[in-house]
Amino acid sequence: DIQLTQSPSFLSASVGDRVTISCRASQDISSFLAWYQQKPGKAPKLLIYGASTLQSGVPSRFSGSESGTEFTLTITSLQPEDFATYYCQQFDSYPLTFGGGTKVEIK
Amino acid sequence: EVQLVESGGGLVEPGGSLRLSCIGSAFTFSSYSMIWVRQTPGKGLDWVSSISSSSWGRTYYADSVKGRFTISRDDAQNSLFLQLNSLRAEDTAVYYCARGRQTSVLRGQGVGYWGQGTLVTVSS
Repeated sequence: DIQLTQSPSFLSASVGDRVTISCRASQDISSFLAWYQQKPGKAPKLLIYGASTLQSGVPSRFSGSESGTEFTLTITSLQPEDFATYYCQQFDSYPLTFGGGTKVEIK
Repeated sequence: EVQLVESGGGLVEPGGSLRLSCIGSAFTFSSYSMIWVRQTPGKGLDWVSSISSSSWGRTYYADSVKGRFTISRDDAQNSLFLQLNSLRAEDTAVYYCARGRQTSVLRGQGVGYWGQGTLVTVSS
């Protein structure tokens, strides 16, 4: 099974900060990785797919990148509505797996 | 607008059964692979099961539910099902029905559409 190690698990930041979240895959998954945002009591929302393609309607302050098996979600200027939990997920092979999540809270 | 609406959750005793349903609308249901994802309260997301479009006829399960859960679909009713048998306390979670951006989830473009979730509580 492919393991996704997400870090940090918790992040405290201020409005306007640049935030980066890492997701490391245990083996090659090509670019079959997505990022989601989840707010309390709501279903996850797709932000990025194909490691770096922005889902339609998602603000351009969100971006994704990859280097080998290391994937990064970047929020260039954190907005109040961005305080949430973020997950990565791989689609390269079954079982589909998620990272453990990163909770972004207000400093 | 694509919509997925789950139902069937509730309180069940350990060892009991439940059947979850999900109705899809505003897309050609039969063409898409569908998946179930669950989330234990306050914890992360776990993939549970997937079913390919009927033309491929394949099902996939997480090891934690294999042999106890069964995924199925009724394309005529635009419906996805998850039969949960031999339930355990650790199956307590919100269960989401979801669809990929593309017709195939595997090697696709992420899960673009989610239902609102249905809560399954396993407790005596």
